Amino acid sequence: DGGITQSPKYLFRKEGQNVTLSCEQNLNHDAMYWYRQDPGQGLRLIYYSQIVNDFQKGDIAEGYSVSREKKESFPLTVTSAQKNPTAFYLCASSLGVAYNEQFFGPGTRLTVL
Amino acid sequence: GENVEQHPSTLSVQEGDSAVIKCTYSDSASNYFPWYKQELGKRPQLIIDIRSNVGEKKDQRIAVTLNKTAKHFSLHITETQPEDSAVYFCAASKKGSARQLTFGSGTQLTVLP
Repeated sequence: DGGITQSPKYLFRKEGQNVTLSCEQNLNHDAMYWYRQDPGQGLRLIYYSQIVNDFQKGDIAEGYSVSREKKESFPLTVTSAQKNPTAFYLCASSLGVAYNEQFFGPGTRLTVL
Repeated sequence: GENVEQHPSTLSVQEGDSAVIKCTYSDSASNYFPWYKQELGKRPQLIIDIRSNVGEKKDQRIAVTLNKTAKHFSLHITETQPEDSAVYFCAASKKGSARQLTFGSGTQLTVLP
């Protein structure tokens, strides 16, 4: 699990600001995913990407944006349109859509002040 | 879309006893069912998974059973140890969905010494 990293570990944001969370992997995985985790709830899918320059909305994409310009990187921007952005954000990757196992990064805890 | 329900939300057992966590899913096309363990503040890690062509899978003290007819699957942990204390998540996915995982809401397992 050391092949997928996220930064920063903690992030504080003022209301109205956009922030970008970093996710990098050196596993040569094609597919990457962003999840949001709230207390008492499971992980909910925000966006996913099966291949470079392609990405799809997940279940809760409103207020978020992503890019996939490089295979190794899948940054997530939390925009001011996201009404309740305080959460734990997890990035994951997998070999490809034909492969099941997803490997998770260590997460970024975002707090809106 | 897929809906995964997980029970119980909290579970306390004495060290050495067994623990069972149950999940149900709604989409009969789902064919892959992983279980993740997440320790406090850390990333989820895959502990066991099962595909729809098998009814049971074991790995040392951990086993998973799948009943496709009833659309439910369960995690069994035997001879529990304090280090088993964590949040456990079940998930489901199917072919043709970019392997999107739909997660249950999690079970906080506490093993009492």
